Amino acid sequence: ETGVTQTPRHLVMGMTNKKSLKCEQHLGHNAMYWYKQSAKKPLELMFVYNFKEQTENNSVPSRFSPECPNSSHLFLHLHTLQPEDSALYLCASSQDRGTSGSSQYFGPGTRLTVL
Amino acid sequence: AQSVTQPDIHITVSEGASLELRCNYSYGATPYLFWYVQSPGQGLQLLLKYFSGDTLVQGIKGFEAEFKRSQSSFNLRKPSVHWSDAAEYFCAVGVQTGANNLFFGTGTRLTVIP
Repeated sequence: ETGVTQTPRHLVMGMTNKKSLKCEQHLGHNAMYWYKQSAKKPLELMFVYNFKEQTENNSVPSRFSPECPNSSHLFLHLHTLQPEDSALYLCASSQDRGTSGSSQYFGPGTRLTVL
Repeated sequence: AQSVTQPDIHITVSEGASLELRCNYSYGATPYLFWYVQSPGQGLQLLLKYFSGDTLVQGIKGFEAEFKRSQSSFNLRKPSVHWSDAAEYFCAVGVQTGANNLFFGTGTRLTVIP
C-alpha cells in the first residue's frame, strides 16, 4: 500500500464502548498527526508526534488517547465518548516537524458516529 | 495568531467555465500556503503549495494559485473546470517556525453543473 491508510473507515460506537483508530503511513515520514473534522468548522489539530514523541496535545479531552509505537503507526484510543465527538478523524504525516513548511499527507479518514 | 478565511462556502460553476476560489490569511510573516482538495468520503489531497520564489504556483489537475502579499491572498484558479473537480477545497497556512502546524480555512464546496 502507498500513502497514508486508516482503519476502520467507518465506526459506530456507544458512549460506553472502547475502540481504537489505526493509521499507517508508507512514506518514510517521521511526524504524524491526528485531526478532527466536523461540519462547518476548520480542521482541528488534536495531537502531533515527531519521531514517536508526542509534541503537541491541543487540549484534547482525556477520552481520546493517542499512541505512536513507531514512526509508521499511529493509534487513537477512544473510550466513553460523547455524541458531539462524532466526526471524521483524519490522520496525516509529514517529513518531520523540524522541516518548516513540509507538506502533510492525509489518510482517507475514519467516519465516527457516537450513539 | 494565524487564521485563514475562505469567504465562499459554496460555489457552482458550469463544466468548462473558469474557476477562482478565494483564500485570505492572517499571519505576521511570509507564510507557507497550501491548497487541499477533499472528495466525498475521502481524505485531503494536496493540490499545490507556496513556499517562496515565484508567486504563481502550478499544481496537479490543472490548478494554479497566486500569492499576493499585498492582499494577503492565495486564490486558487483553474481555466476550465471538469465535472470531476466537484469537491471541497481547503486553504491552509503554515507558519515558519519549526512546529510545522497548519491552520485551515472552513472550506469551499464546489458544485459543477453540466
